[in-house]
Amino acid sequence: DAKTTQPPSMDCAEGRAANLPCNHSTISGNEYVYWYRQIHSQGPQYIIHGLKNNETNEMASLIITEDRKSSTLILPHATLRDTAVYYCIVSPTGANNLFFGTGTRLTVIP
Amino acid sequence: NAGVTQTPKFQVLKTGQSMTLQCAQDMNHEYMSWYRQDPGMGLRLIHYSVGAGITDQGEVPNGYNVSRSTTEDFPLRLLSAAPSQTSVYFCASRNRGVNYGYTFGSGTRLTVV
Repeated sequence: DAKTTQPPSMDCAEGRAANLPCNHSTISGNEYVYWYRQIHSQGPQYIIHGLKNNETNEMASLIITEDRKSSTLILPHATLRDTAVYYCIVSPTGANNLFFGTGTRLTVIP
Repeated sequence: NAGVTQTPKFQVLKTGQSMTLQCAQDMNHEYMSWYRQDPGMGLRLIHYSVGAGITDQGEVPNGYNVSRSTTEDFPLRLLSAAPSQTSVYFCASRNRGVNYGYTFGSGTRLTVV
């Protein structure tokens, strides 16, 4: 599976957009980009995923560059409850193993 | 729906003891997995199952057994607990197909002394 690189930590002001970057320069054609987050010590929560097109759901937007070597997760209006560790994962179609790295610790500041 | 339910939430074991961590899901998901998370680290896959009667090893399977006799349940057995197995254990499930993310349980915090 392709390796991902994320900044270890980021801050964001409450109400502002949080843009979390992820580099995955060795991504293969059949690998999707998945985003999960883990709030405090809870179980991870699925956010969104995509292959090559930009995706949006009720939680976030995912922007994937045209060459698919990087992506950005966007939380449009961050709240204090969005403070969490965010994991960017690339995984082949139908794979059962998600390789979680150390992620980005996002702190939303009042 | 309750989602993915893990029991117990906390457990302390003595070295050499055995126990079973329970995981149940009520979403009729075919795929189920067990992960462990050590302090400051990401999650690592222990075992997974793609359906009843089918299991396979993940990244760190040693010291653990699983079985999948029903779609709903996927218990994880520690055969002879060791301090290195002190960790937080998460169970997860999802539907077949690429358009589904995993739903995780709330975890079992295990300490082996």
